[in-house]
Amino acid sequence: AQSVTQPDIHITVSEGASLELRCNYSYGATPYLFWYVQSPGQGLQLLLKYFSGDTLVQGIKGFEAEFKRSQSSFNLRKPSVHWSDAAEYFCAVAARTGGYNKLIFGAGTRLAVHP
Amino acid sequence: GAGVSQSPSNKVTEKGKDVELRCDPISGHTALYWYRQRLGQGLEFLIYFQGNSAPDKSGLPSDRFSAERTGESVSTLTIQRTQQEDSAVYLCASLEAPPDTQYFGPGTRLTVL
Repeated sequence: AQSVTQPDIHITVSEGASLELRCNYSYGATPYLFWYVQSPGQGLQLLLKYFSGDTLVQGIKGFEAEFKRSQSSFNLRKPSVHWSDAAEYFCAVAARTGGYNKLIFGAGTRLAVHP
Repeated sequence: GAGVSQSPSNKVTEKGKDVELRCDPISGHTALYWYRQRLGQGLEFLIYFQGNSAPDKSGLPSDRFSAERTGESVSTLTIQRTQQEDSAVYLCASLEAPPDTQYFGPGTRLTVL
């Protein structure tokens, strides 16, 4: 069965430090992979996505993610975190079901940023 | 352009009451999804609509949950005889295809007392 694992429930970093959020997926075929961010009281905003091609994808707000098929991973990175990046981050894989894609989400990683 | 909108943003109800949640998708998006997000958890798929095709209801947790969508327009999610375990944020997403990307609304926070 398809699944997404985000091993870190909470992460705290200092402002200006680098960030890496981990995501591992289980999916038999070539995955469509996504990272979404959810600020408190808000819906989900798409940060970036991977469908095919270059395995390093750039997203909004200075985020990037790298697809590594051999490790079944799609980790999210940012070189220098800003206080406004404090939020919850969700990794998702699109599972093909009955002719359409359904998103399978990880449990999320809550990011706190210290000044 | 306008994004996905949902109403109400917050709903507090008493156990046993029925509630109706509304989702307005992005114009032109033919597919629409409902998800549930319990406190501190990821999103659970509830139901999927694609045009006039039969919806995929496989994620609905019980027969108290139902949803409707007419064509490619507004969708409503109805929960009958609400229970405290129904308390969650209910998120709607519409699909841009291609490139097969879901765009989410702000959600409806449901609290069942």
